[in-house]
Amino acid sequence: QSVLTQPPSASGTPGQRVTISCSGSSSNIGNNFIYWYQQLPGTAPKLLMYQTNQRPSGVPDRFSGSKSGTSASLAISGLRSEDESDYYCAAWDNSLSAPVFGGGTKLTVL
Amino acid sequence: EVQLVESGGDLVQPGRSLRLSCTASGFTFGDYNMSWVRQAPGKGLEWVGYIRSKPDGGTTDYAASVKGRFTMSRDDSESIAYLQMNGLKTDDTAVYYCTRDSYYYASGSHGYAFDFWGQGTMVTVSS
Repeated sequence: QSVLTQPPSASGTPGQRVTISCSGSSSNIGNNFIYWYQQLPGTAPKLLMYQTNQRPSGVPDRFSGSKSGTSASLAISGLRSEDESDYYCAAWDNSLSAPVFGGGTKLTVL
Repeated sequence: EVQLVESGGDLVQPGRSLRLSCTASGFTFGDYNMSWVRQAPGKGLEWVGYIRSKPDGGTTDYAASVKGRFTMSRDDSESIAYLQMNGLKTDDTAVYYCTRDSYYYASGSHGYAFDFWGQGTMVTVSS
């Protein structure tokens, strides 16, 4: 059972805007920064979003991150077929003194 | 260009030991914390542990699931991180990724990023 909770799946059509949620507690999301990782099929994960809403170099601005209270979201606008991937949220947990992950969300582009 | 290359994955019997290596290049290895993150077949990501940079103390922390069985070390002169796994269990079967980490702290909030990942090495624990 993951410390952070994500829906197991999400879907959208090309061009659509989709959001993936990540729920936690005051021990993690509520008081710390959020990170998102993208894992394309058969590959290693890649950092997609850091410090809640910052994009590493090379990540399109179609991707955006936000946080409200103990929940966070990753939004993808102008959905493209190459966005079909697994997405994981992560945060530092103050109680565990360790980084924790969500269980991952499989995004399907219909 | 940052590169992380894991090696050492294998098929081993329960109770045996295995050592994984992560060879880094493209950055000043000694300046960074390094982690191991694993992914069981068809499952999500699980942080295994990290070793801090020597400037940050060089100490280690581990997930509860591996504490007492796994040990991380580093050789900054060779830019290699190691994961020594003892008393392996079938539940340890996973792809093991090495990561370069970045720690961030601002206004009372902590951040911990796995900002570069290796390609992973498969560890299978089975009789």
